Amino acid sequence: DIHMTQSPSSLSASIGDRVTITCRASQTIGRYLNWYQQRPGKAPELLISAAPNLQPWVPSRFSCSGSGTDFTLTIDSLQPEDFATYFCQQSYSPPWTFGQGTKVEI
Amino acid sequence: VQLVESGGVAVQTGGSLRLSCVVSGFTFDDYAMHWVRQAPGKGLEWVSMISWDGSRVAFADSVEGRFLISRDNRKNSLYLQMDSLRPEDSALYYCARDTSGWYVGEDTPRGLDFWGQGTLVPVSS
Repeated sequence: DIHMTQSPSSLSASIGDRVTITCRASQTIGRYLNWYQQRPGKAPELLISAAPNLQPWVPSRFSCSGSGTDFTLTIDSLQPEDFATYFCQQSYSPPWTFGQGTKVEI
Repeated sequence: VQLVESGGVAVQTGGSLRLSCVVSGFTFDDYAMHWVRQAPGKGLEWVSMISWDGSRVAFADSVEGRFLISRDNRKNSLYLQMDSLRPEDSALYYCARDTSGWYVGEDTPRGLDFWGQGTLVPVSS
């Protein structure tokens, strides 16, 4: 199975900050990397599919880079609604696997 | 697009349960479907997926041999049959739509673009 490792597990930031979250796969996954946002008490939402493609409803302050084994999610100018937990996920081969999550706190 | 899960109830270790997910707002048999679970206060764990026509399935190692996934395209419904339940299976179970059908030979990166609100399965020891 492909293991996904996110860092950091949590971070504190302020409105307007730039935030970077990294995700590393235990083997190469090409561009088969997705990012999800989960707000408290809500279902996850797909932000980025087939890195670095943003879903149509995702603000342009979100971006993603990387391929192979190392990926980065960046949020420019953090907004109040961005305080949430972010998960990366590989869809290169089943079983699909998630990273452990990164909680972005105020 | 709507996905509505049901079937989650408290169950004892060793018991069985069948979850359902009824969808609307899209052509169900154009898409593969997934189950993902989340234990209280924990991260997301992918559980299983099924191709658009039900011909291909895959499972997480943690549920392989105990869980079965199926679908009824006439009823716009997805199912998860869970047997030999363990306390570590306790979680909120989400159904989610794939961005594609998981077609044979397909080489397109895929994700989970729509999710239900989940159904809770507590397993007591």
